Amino acid sequence: NAGVTQTPKFRILKIGQSMTLQCTQDMNHNYMYWYRQDPGMGLKLIYYSVGAGITDKGEVPNGYNVSRSTTEDFPLRLELAAPSQTSVYFCASPPGGGPTDTQYFGPGTRLTVL
Amino acid sequence: AQTVTQSQPEMSVQEAETVTLSCTYDTSESDYYLFWYKQPPSRQMILVIRQEAYKQQNATENRFSVNFQKAAKSFSLKISDSQLGDAAMYFCAYKGPPRTGNQFYFGTGTSLTVIP
Repeated sequence: NAGVTQTPKFRILKIGQSMTLQCTQDMNHNYMYWYRQDPGMGLKLIYYSVGAGITDKGEVPNGYNVSRSTTEDFPLRLELAAPSQTSVYFCASPPGGGPTDTQYFGPGTRLTVL
Repeated sequence: AQTVTQSQPEMSVQEAETVTLSCTYDTSESDYYLFWYKQPPSRQMILVIRQEAYKQQNATENRFSVNFQKAAKSFSLKISDSQLGDAAMYFCAYKGPPRTGNQFYFGTGTSLTVIP
């Protein structure tokens, strides 16, 4: 049981390039979240999903897209990378939608856009 | 969006001493959930403690306890007998009742240094 895994750990992109950040959880959770953490700041929610086939926007969705074709995977897509997207990205998954759910976080992906 | 405020960007504490980290939040809800997360240099987010707003009793987890003041919308974290391994960024987080969505809102964090 690996929990939440993310790949890659690090990535450098040029402006305008595209990439997909992978997130996988093996806990059979319905809920999955993508956050970004800018230097010295807290986490901001980008997108989240309450189950396969269902996604919704968070606070800062512009410039990103997601899909949820399976329970396990929740990839985050950057289509035209911009320097403002330089950040650390965390994927997280609570065990359910209940009121006291904790969140299990992945190790993060550090993205730099030059 | 809900607001979670951590007014102490940095704190320090002597090993074995006690430190309190502050957190305030803004909500019109009566039923909600509060969390403290620890983020060590490895960047993994680790749940430290959680509190349900409907519970009057303050949550406690070993050396970690909270002072939850619902009327004041305050949720501070007390770390007793501080250890070197407690050094990390600490984030306060809020989650509303399920009917308002499934989003967590995080503060900007407090960097805790533990002095040997």
